[in-house]
Amino acid sequence: DVKVTQSSRYLVKRTGEKVFLECVQDMDHENMFWYRQDPGLGLRLIYFSYDVKMKEKGDIPEGYSVSREKKERFSLILESASTNQTSMYLCASSSPGINAYEQYFGPGTRLTVT
Amino acid sequence: AQSVTQLDSQVPVFEEAPVELRCNYSSSVSVYLFWYVQYPNQGLQLLLKYLSGSTLVESINGFEAEFNKSQTSFHLRKPSVHISDTAEYFCAVDSQGGSEKLVFGKGTKLTVNP
Repeated sequence: DVKVTQSSRYLVKRTGEKVFLECVQDMDHENMFWYRQDPGLGLRLIYFSYDVKMKEKGDIPEGYSVSREKKERFSLILESASTNQTSMYLCASSSPGINAYEQYFGPGTRLTVT
Repeated sequence: AQSVTQLDSQVPVFEEAPVELRCNYSSSVSVYLFWYVQYPNQGLQLLLKYLSGSTLVESINGFEAEFNKSQTSFHLRKPSVHISDTAEYFCAVDSQGGSEKLVFGKGTKLTVNP
């Protein structure tokens, strides 16, 4: 089974802290994605990456950055956390080919910024 | 830009009743369409997808969706639901026709009551 793991299920941080959310996939997928999920708003894409060291902005990149130094790992960074970044963060991965467009999701990290 | 509209935020039904979850998209080009499901406290998983070919696609657990180009719709149906179908369902569209970057709807919470 494809597995996407996220470093924490729950995280509580203070306003202004630098926050790292880690995501690791074990299926050698080229593509990786970070979303945030908020009630009534669905999933919104923050950043995505098609390859190591490559990144592209999604729909709501403000206040976030990413890092992809290895193919299996995609990190989301909140440079200075704010209360409006309290949310559920979902990581996903996918690969071109026969299962193209099937994104495999991790269980999510619920981040609370106080 | 592509957009996805899920008309119902919540759908309550009784067990063994039929259900339809509605999804409309905006696009002037060919699209790839998806339904994802999120069971309580889990990440999203792909339920079914339309890439090409037959406009009726089916999942292994009895759901089906029909791509209707003229109505720009991709409604999800099941003739008889089970308690275990209680989940949130997200419709998604490939945003750039082959980019593998998905745009999600806001979700529909399906609650199946005994």
